[in-house]
Amino acid sequence: KQEVTQIPAALSVPEGENLVLNCSFTDSAIYNLQWFRQDPGKGLTSLLLIQSSQREQTSGRLNASLDKSSGRSTLYIAASQPGDSATYLCAVRPMRGSARQLTFGSGTQLTVLP
Amino acid sequence: DAGVTQSPTHLIKTRGQQVTLRCSPKSGHDTVSWYQQALGQGPQFIFQYYEEEERQRGNFPDRFSGHQFPNYSSELNVNALLLGDSALYLCASSLANLDEQFFGPGTRLTVL
Repeated sequence: KQEVTQIPAALSVPEGENLVLNCSFTDSAIYNLQWFRQDPGKGLTSLLLIQSSQREQTSGRLNASLDKSSGRSTLYIAASQPGDSATYLCAVRPMRGSARQLTFGSGTQLTVLP
Repeated sequence: DAGVTQSPTHLIKTRGQQVTLRCSPKSGHDTVSWYQQALGQGPQFIFQYYEEEERQRGNFPDRFSGHQFPNYSSELNVNALLLGDSALYLCASSLANLDEQFFGPGTRLTVL
């Protein structure tokens, strides 16, 4: 059974810092990995999708990397801003299964202090 | 282009009651997945509907059931509500042959 772990559970940084969020998964047979942002009480916004054949994806100040063999992904946020404050979730999609549903970590709650 | 919509936004029920949550997928999407997210946790997969049939189910009891209509919209029904069913219920839509799922804003269910 796939398990996804995110460390740290919470992180507080001053504005302008570069930061890294970590995600690990136990089964390397994944189809892709996706990073989401969730504001309090709201739905999920997709940030980056990395296919299993890719090593990284970039969007603006965000860069996500994937090391499938070691079961790890990182989300790098450059020059953090207070508006980046949210919970960040990673999720993996398996290679097998008809629905290939996402398995999520518990998230990292990020607070960027002005 | 409307994204995924869900109704209602919030719902309060008492133990033993039944509830129906609704989801309209993103325009052009034919697949709907439902997830339950307890406070402080990541979403857990409930089931997925495609072509009006349940394609796969997560580890949830039969009290959780669903339906997909010909226009691809979907309902999630929960019977005999328990306190532990209190959560944010998320709907996600996708195209059957593509990877990315798009999530709605969720329905917050509180069971008293």
